[in-house]
Amino acid sequence: EVQLMESGGGLVQPGGSLRLSCTVSGFTFSTYWMHWVRQVPGKGLVWVSNVNPDEKFTHYADSVKGRFTVSRDNAKSTLYLEVNNLKAEDTAVYYCVRDMFGPDDFWGQGTLVTVSS
Amino acid sequence: QSALTQPASVSGSPGQSITFSCTGTSSDVGTSNQVSWYQQHPGKAPKQLIYDVSNRPFGVSNRFSGSKSGNTASLTISGLQAEDEADYYCSSYTKRGPSYVFGTGTKVTVL
Repeated sequence: EVQLMESGGGLVQPGGSLRLSCTVSGFTFSTYWMHWVRQVPGKGLVWVSNVNPDEKFTHYADSVKGRFTVSRDNAKSTLYLEVNNLKAEDTAVYYCVRDMFGPDDFWGQGTLVTVSS
Repeated sequence: QSALTQPASVSGSPGQSITFSCTGTSSDVGTSNQVSWYQQHPGKAPKQLIYDVSNRPFGVSNRFSGSKSGNTASLTISGLQAEDEADYYCSSYTKRGPSYVFGTGTKVTVL
């Protein structure tokens, strides 16, 4: 059974940092592009970042460039998102997504990041 | 990266068909075959309904169909059912970035 489990969210002060993790099982992690997507509660979806299978290519939304870093550890079947210099507008549920836009698209249940003093 | 434009809400009666749009630009929907549609029920993660403009993933009902003309993609739900009441989002690859962009979302209400 395919599973994606995000963790690492929580309450953080403005300017703070967190590392989000997405641990997967049930498929060969090392063969898929992986994405992060976020959603402010009650609002729409926003694509954040992606990384290719061997980590040679990464892309970011303009709103997070320079502050967020995506990475992966294929040996541990885990995707990461390092989020730095957090702002109130980064408050959202963060989802990790396998093969977004492809036939094997699959989403985790999300982890909530709240940026507040 | 500006969001794709969707109608805020659409409604229909059980058994009816509804179609709603997703309008982008020549930098995204107009030139990309990577156009997807997602369904999201409250408190749940999104579920893909359509990928590559008009393809259905395994297990998705054939009541859902997608199409595209110019800069506008469309999702049709046939034989509307109570369980179809949810939020729907389109998304597309965009050459700006490159990156991906989602639509503003459409709330479907089954009357």
